[in-house]
Amino acid sequence: DAGVIQSPRHEVTEMGQEVTLRCKPISGHDYLFWYRQTMMRGLELLIYFNNNVPIDDSGMPEDRFSAKMPNASFSTLKIQPSEPRDSAVYFCASSLGTFNEQFFGPGTRLTVL
Amino acid sequence: TQLLEQSPQFLSIQEGENLTVYCNSSSVFSSLQWYRQEPGEGPVLLVTVVTGGEVKKLKRLTFQFGDARKDSSLHITAAQPGDTGLYLCAGLLGGGGADGLTFGKGTHLIIQP
Repeated sequence: DAGVIQSPRHEVTEMGQEVTLRCKPISGHDYLFWYRQTMMRGLELLIYFNNNVPIDDSGMPEDRFSAKMPNASFSTLKIQPSEPRDSAVYFCASSLGTFNEQFFGPGTRLTVL
Repeated sequence: TQLLEQSPQFLSIQEGENLTVYCNSSSVFSSLQWYRQEPGEGPVLLVTVVTGGEVKKLKRLTFQFGDARKDSSLHITAAQPGDTGLYLCAGLLGGGGADGLTFGKGTHLIIQP
């Protein structure tokens, strides 16, 4: 298996622009998680899905952030409009069951100018 | 307030030395995981501990879960440059709910040759 795939790996955009991050989980995994990592705040859980259904989005910072999982093999995290404080590395992870190992993708490094 | 406090934040030691890093909380966790993250990559699971007082060994790494399931430690014997990385603890809160993992901010470990 190729592992969790994220795209793009790097994204540089200007304040106010829409940003879409993409994730393909490991086939067969029923949980998908979106995290954001910064030096100041560490790794923060933004939202997670079980069987394509959003379970907990309490970590989403504000309405500018939205996430979807239209099917078992694809998820998106969208920021509209983006702001400089959104600059971070965004990770997607998947697991088989919530209590089991989470497999992380390589992350998307987002820079908002 | 961080739910999981990791200490020290940064540690730089010479090859061959021993070290211990800590993960502490006032909350009880049903399980706790340790991950290692290398630059430009996502975290990778090292171990999961579930039972209070549990000790697990992974070659030169020894993981312990506190009796009350509120804290954990990672001890590395005879550290090697390949051990360099960010060590993250992550806890799953008890209660049977389908919560996502809560991560500490991590310990940045550098092993100098």
